[in-house]
Amino acid sequence: NAGVTQTPKFRVLKTGQSMTLLCAQDMNHEYMYWYRQDPGMGLRLIHYSVGEGTTAKGEVPDGYNVSRLKKQNFLLGLESAAPSQTSVYFCATHLTGTGGAETQYFGPGTRLLVL
Amino acid sequence: AQSVTQLGSHVSVSEGALVLLRCNYSSSVPPYLFWYVQYPNQGLQLLLKYTSAATLVKGINGFEAEFKKSETSFHLTKPSAHMSDAAEYFCAVSPRLNSGYSTLTFGKGTMLLVSP
Repeated sequence: NAGVTQTPKFRVLKTGQSMTLLCAQDMNHEYMYWYRQDPGMGLRLIHYSVGEGTTAKGEVPDGYNVSRLKKQNFLLGLESAAPSQTSVYFCATHLTGTGGAETQYFGPGTRLLVL
Repeated sequence: AQSVTQLGSHVSVSEGALVLLRCNYSSSVPPYLFWYVQYPNQGLQLLLKYTSAATLVKGINGFEAEFKKSETSFHLTKPSAHMSDAAEYFCAVSPRLNSGYSTLTFGKGTMLLVSP
C-alpha cells in the first residue's frame, strides 16, 4: 500500500517548457488536491477534484491545468512554465466529504525549478 | 473567508523545554482546526485536529492543542521537546458544514528548532 505517490521527485525546466506532474493514490479516495509550497507562504491550493472527471479551481490556479480521468490519478500540467512557478508541489487526498473535518494525506512532493 | 495566523515563523527551544506554537483563526463560527507537521524533505502529516466538543485535543508524538473560542486560538504544545520534533508546523482551518467537503486554508508555518 503505497499511499500517495508523486512523479517526478525533482525537475528542472526552462521558461516556456511544459510538463505534467502525476499524483497517484491507491487508497480509493474521492478527493484530491494540488498545492504549492513557497517559503514563508505556507501551502496554497491550486486545483482540486471531488471525484473522477471533476476539477475545480483553488486559490492560485493561473498557469496550471488539471485532469482527473481516472479516480486514482490527478495530473497537474504547466503549459508554459515561468520562473514564478518554481516551487514544491504537493498532492493530497481524502476519502469522503464529512463537512470539513477530513484528514488529508499528502504525497512526498515534487520540487520544480524553472530557469 | 477563513484564515489562520501563526505567530512566529521560527521558534527555538532547548531539548526538554516546553514547546508552544501559536495559531489564531478568524471566523464568525468556530471552524474545524488542524495541526500538520512537515519533516525535512517530506510531505505533511496530521498531528491532531479539533472537530468536536472536546476542547483539549491530544495528538501524536505527545503534542496537544487547546481550542479557546474566547481567544480564537488553537495553540500547539508539548511539555518536553525532543530533537526529533524539529520540523515545520502548519495550522489549518476548514469551515463547518452540514455535509459535503471544504477546502483547507493553511497558515504560513512555524519552523521549530530544537537545540541540545
